Amino acid sequence: ETGVTQTPRHLVMGMTNKKSLKCEQHLGHNAMYWYKQSAKKPLELMFVYSLEERVENNSVPSRFSPECPNSSHLFLHLHTLQPEDSALYLCASSQDMGRGSYGYTFGSGTRLTVV
Amino acid sequence: AQSVTQLDSQVPVFEEAPVELRCNYSSSVSVYLFWYVQYPNQGLQLLLKYLSGSTLVKGINGFEAEFNKSQTSFHLRKPSVHISDTAEYFCAVSDPSSGSARQLTFGSGTQLTVLP
Repeated sequence: ETGVTQTPRHLVMGMTNKKSLKCEQHLGHNAMYWYKQSAKKPLELMFVYSLEERVENNSVPSRFSPECPNSSHLFLHLHTLQPEDSALYLCASSQDMGRGSYGYTFGSGTRLTVV
Repeated sequence: AQSVTQLDSQVPVFEEAPVELRCNYSSSVSVYLFWYVQYPNQGLQLLLKYLSGSTLVKGINGFEAEFNKSQTSFHLRKPSVHISDTAEYFCAVSDPSSGSARQLTFGSGTQLTVLP
């Protein structure tokens, strides 16, 4: 399998559940990202892992917790979410050359609905 | 910090007509520029990118964009659109000189709707 793969494609969860989103890239890239895409809002960068170092957007609530065990895998752990967290969660990867981004490769996303 | 402005949130156009989607960015320093397309319930797919060299960049699906440094613009064009081009289009910028060089800053998107 090639590219960036996200699972599951769709997820419905209650506010008291704990779930995880998974992202896997087969491109040999050394940086991975989580983005949140809500209706009628700009793409929101949530977390960056580059060369296994984590960078985060300070406005992301602590109910979202990322994990990057290696350069090919990225997880987003979810717990006690709110209905406003319903969105499309996109994973992306890139080759971090240390001087500008040459562009990302995105996965197809996980459509999350919190009920 | 960089910012990207996509001036039109929605662009309706008839099939086989030309289209231009506008994008302006905030910085006048050297930048890398990108256009992505997103079809419904899909991730973003790279259409084309400008890193250096010729200011006219050709991408997939017959799209092209022109980098204009003096106007800090990177408008996307297609001479004749198809129904299948209906999608949301995102402009993005990366600043190689910044500390967060690995990150892209995205515009808010332009919904292109091609009408029969």
